[in-house]
Formats: sequence, structure tokens, C-alpha cells
Amino acid sequence: AQKITQTQPGMFVQEKEAVTLDCTYDTSDQSYGLFWYKQPSSGEMIFLIYQGSYDEQNATEGRYSLNFQKARKSANLVISASQLGDSAMYFCAMREVWDSSYKLIFGSGTRLLVRP
Amino acid sequence: NAGVTQTPKFQVLKTGQSMTLQCAQDMNHEYMSWYRQDPGMGLRLIHYSVGAGITDQGEVPNGYNVSRSTTEDFPLRLLSAAPSQTSVYFCASSSSWRGTQETQYFGPGTRLLVL
Repeated sequence: AQKITQTQPGMFVQEKEAVTLDCTYDTSDQSYGLFWYKQPSSGEMIFLIYQGSYDEQNATEGRYSLNFQKARKSANLVISASQLGDSAMYFCAMREVWDSSYKLIFGSGTRLLVRP
Repeated sequence: NAGVTQTPKFQVLKTGQSMTLQCAQDMNHEYMSWYRQDPGMGLRLIHYSVGAGITDQGEVPNGYNVSRSTTEDFPLRLLSAAPSQTSVYFCASSSSWRGTQETQYFGPGTRLLVL
């Protein structure tokens, strides 16, 4: 079974509007971390935001916020006031504390295109 | 502070050739890892290291070797390249592996084409 599911292969958003990128996850672990990365067309992976499973408040980093709904196992990324430079692939990832390789498990990504 | 660096940026190999992808970090990070990214997929872990002299296999280790003689460097060796190893390779590091909150920082990637 997929551990991280991103159901939106591609999305459009108008410049200056907000957009939500969906991410659901599957784990039986009580302790885990959720991450979002941005991959622009240049190819690098840029860390955006982190949410811990025990964090009671939703994480925020500038224009990025994470809508964390633990019971529903969802960790959606919200980008406010979209900019043209936000056009990129976005990956949701999870790290489980029991996993001795400490690996990040990635979803298949969502391609976001910001329209002027 | 260069972060995580990778060389080369792009490489073309013939089937059966071997090569080493270089990765270095200047942040004194304990944990380093190699991932591969294939079209339409997220990244998958190849090998990882929790410190100098300590390495272990990830999800997709076949056809690859690693070593970690220093904290800074974590090279990935392709023993006998196959077309199935055509991919983009990312090296990543984090200051620790303890807990779940340690952010992994990625290098710029190496795009490998095996003919």
C-alpha cells in the first residue's frame, strides 16, 4: 500500500491566489514527521515545511502552512498569495521513527503551475 | 558554506561501465543518504550512512556500493551500469537521525543516462 498519496498530478492557480496541495499518509507508527519539498524545473529539492505527529499547532513558514489533520491522516500544503516562482513540483514526504534507515518516504508529487 | 554538493551534474555511460558519483557536505552532518528519482515517482532510498565508517542499504541498493571514510564525503559507486539505472540521483544529509524532525537537505542532483 502506498504510504504517501498525492492525488493531484497537476494543478493550476492564478497568481496572488491561495492553493492547497493534498497529501494523505499511511502509518501505524505514533511518532512520525511530515515534510514538504519543492522541486523547480532546475531540479533541486528545496525543503519547505515540517510537521511532527505530536505537534498540536499547524506548522507555518512564511507563505507556506501545513493543514495537519491527524485523524484523517492528511497533511495538506497551503500556499498563500501564489507567485510565478511557485510553479514547480511539490513532494510530500514522511519519516517514521521506527524505520531504522531514517528514510524519507515520498509521494509521486503534484505539479503546480501559477498563471499570471 | 556550500551545503551539499554533487558531481558530476550530468553523465552518460555505456552498459557495463562503472563510475562514482561524488557527494560532499560541509555542515558536519552525521547522516547522509543517496536517493534516486525516476519519472512520475518520488525519491527512493538507495543507501545511507549514520556516521563515518557506518553504511547500510536502503530500499533499492542492488547495483550500487557506498563507503563513508570521512564525515564530509559519501560517494556512490555504480559497479556495472545498466539502462535501468538511468535516473536522477540525489545526495542528502541531516545533522542527526534521531527523532523524526531532522530535515534532510538535498544536493543539486546528478542526471545519469545509461545507454
